[in-house]
Amino acid sequence: DTAVSQTPKYLVTQMGNDKSIKCEQNLGHDTMYWYKQDSKKFLKIMFSYNNKELIINETVPNRFSPKSPDKAHLNLHINSLELGDSAVYFCASSRRVEGNSPLHFGNGTRLTVT
Amino acid sequence: AQTVTQSQPEMSVQEAETVTLSCTYDTSESDYYLFWYKQPPSRQMILVIRQEAYKQQNATENRFSVNFQKAAKSFSLKISDSQLGDAAMYFCAHRRGGTSYGKLTFGQGTILTVHP
Repeated sequence: DTAVSQTPKYLVTQMGNDKSIKCEQNLGHDTMYWYKQDSKKFLKIMFSYNNKELIINETVPNRFSPKSPDKAHLNLHINSLELGDSAVYFCASSRRVEGNSPLHFGNGTRLTVT
Repeated sequence: AQTVTQSQPEMSVQEAETVTLSCTYDTSESDYYLFWYKQPPSRQMILVIRQEAYKQQNATENRFSVNFQKAAKSFSLKISDSQLGDAAMYFCAHRRGGTSYGKLTFGQGTILTVHP
């Protein structure tokens, strides 16, 4: 069984559209994250949720809105998509927020905005 | 702010040989954790190994080991008996201790090619 699963794997859309990426983890973890990997493969945190509460918002434009309906799910909604939003988006989870709790990543969603 | 630097954009190794990937980091804190993640062409991020800063002993996981030099802020990854399946992009990452809220700071990555 996949521990952290994201859907869809690929997403191609036009500028101005609104899209969502879903993430679910079956590890029983308390903390979930969204990371963005740009075209140069650089990975950077976007959001972190602990027990459904937002605890990190890393200067992400407010067109990006995460939602955590429960501890096992963290979805990412993006409004008014722009060309620069094209990237791979990774969902991840960890048992706790503490530093020694490793992150488990999903397989990523490749978003292409045309 | 923490920074992580991987100075080798690309490395290559012959199958069955040993290769070392470099990583340096900058932090003002004493409590932190270091990780190496592997990203094969499948795109998945896979945890390879982790090191607690308070431990002097270098972490090992089968063919993977680290050389952790705390004073030098260096954290290199050694892959022994390289296999074709080791070919991937490798990322070094730093995470503060305590309640860090999960913020992993990644290096730029090193592409590892394994030649048969």
